[in-house]
Amino acid sequence: DTGVSQDPRHKITKRGQNVTFRCDPISEHNRLYWYRQTLGQGPEFLTYFQNEAQLEKSRLLSDRFSAERPKGSFSTLEIQRTEQGDSAMYLCASSPTLEETQYFGPGTRLLVL
Amino acid sequence: AQSVTQPDIHITVSEGASLELRCNYSYGATPYLFWYVQSPGQGLQLLLKYFSGDTLVQGIKGFEAEFKRSQSSFNLRKPSVHWSDAAEYFCATYGNKLVFGAGTILRVKS
Repeated sequence: DTGVSQDPRHKITKRGQNVTFRCDPISEHNRLYWYRQTLGQGPEFLTYFQNEAQLEKSRLLSDRFSAERPKGSFSTLEIQRTEQGDSAMYLCASSPTLEETQYFGPGTRLLVL
Repeated sequence: AQSVTQPDIHITVSEGASLELRCNYSYGATPYLFWYVQSPGQGLQLLLKYFSGDTLVQGIKGFEAEFKRSQSSFNLRKPSVHWSDAAEYFCATYGNKLVFGAGTILRVKS
């Protein structure tokens, strides 16, 4: 069991650029979650998948954000036309279906200049 | 809607002293409650969880938490803090997604 992995760990980009983050969940975990964490705050829910189906999206997920999980395994989170307010830690978590415990990856820290 | 409040933003304790971090939740039904710990620049590690049953829950690293329905609380405790416990601690509740408190930063002085 290798745990949840995220790539890259750090990303610096200029305002207006697009960025994409990847999350590899724990093998056989059907549910995958994305959270965003800004400085001094707890993580905030963005979206989650049950296998390849995106079942819920937060209002925090503006139309510049898109998430996919095409084969029900890894997931990508893309931010288009990044803004300075997008600077945050993006956390991915996974869990087996019907289990409430979520296991988190190390996060991707995004800095938008 | 679910919510979690962690009243203390920072707490400083001496190494070897006891620790209690406060957490209050708001949820209509029986809550699922969690404590996670986050070291600087890292993801979250699960310390312990409460779903039902015994209201005193044991976790990893010597931590425990007690669920008190009458007080809507789920406070985290440790009898003797180690310098390596310095980190940020998050309480969370679950209702198809996790809802976190704002966190408590623990500083340990030697």
